[in-house]
Amino acid sequence: DQQVKQNSPSLSVQEGRISILNCDYTNSMFDYFLWYKKYPAEGPTFLISISSIKDKNEDGRFTVFLNKSAKHLSLHIVPSQPGDSAVYFCAASGPSSGSARQLTFGSGTQLTVLP
Amino acid sequence: DAMVIQNPRYQVTQFGKPVTLSCSQTLNHNVMYWYQQKSSQAPKLLFHYYDKDFNNEADTPDNFQSRRPNTSFCFLDIRSPGLGDAAMYLCATSRDLSASGVSYEQYFGPGTRLTVT
Repeated sequence: DQQVKQNSPSLSVQEGRISILNCDYTNSMFDYFLWYKKYPAEGPTFLISISSIKDKNEDGRFTVFLNKSAKHLSLHIVPSQPGDSAVYFCAASGPSSGSARQLTFGSGTQLTVLP
Repeated sequence: DAMVIQNPRYQVTQFGKPVTLSCSQTLNHNVMYWYQQKSSQAPKLLFHYYDKDFNNEADTPDNFQSRRPNTSFCFLDIRSPGLGDAAMYLCATSRDLSASGVSYEQYFGPGTRLTVT
């Protein structure tokens, strides 16, 4: 049962245009969401996050939008650059009955920015 | 630079031959995680250590064990690797701030690609 879904395995965008990556979740207990970027042969790198008390968080070219009623979040990259080409993972976190908080990941979207 | 280091980057082992993957961190984070990631799939959490407390995921096979001798190091032991255990193994750390509820980012190492022959 996938609690975090990224339904688009790949996305191609022209350089300079907007890239929109989407993510859906099913667990209403999730209250913190993150995006990670992964280049080949490297580990995922934290990109941007958002708490469930907000609906938007912006950091430079990257903006994450959260729609709690739809259980949907998206990552906007404007303008897209060739160096943004990577796999993007959506992750969600919620209160844990155990010790540390854990992340539940989506399966990733391969973004290709064409020059 | 503070970082998460994984050794080796590539590991080849034979079917049934025990193998150990290592992870070290200079971030002084109190939580360390091990994930398994197969091609085109989401990273799957195997277990984590909160300080010295070991937390196993319910569906992690008994074949997988872990040790954390100190804050900086964590090991993943696969006692009898099968062909289905071939994957990328990712180590991650976090500074658990659940008490203050500030942020929950995890910082990942580059991963170890395990091949089972």
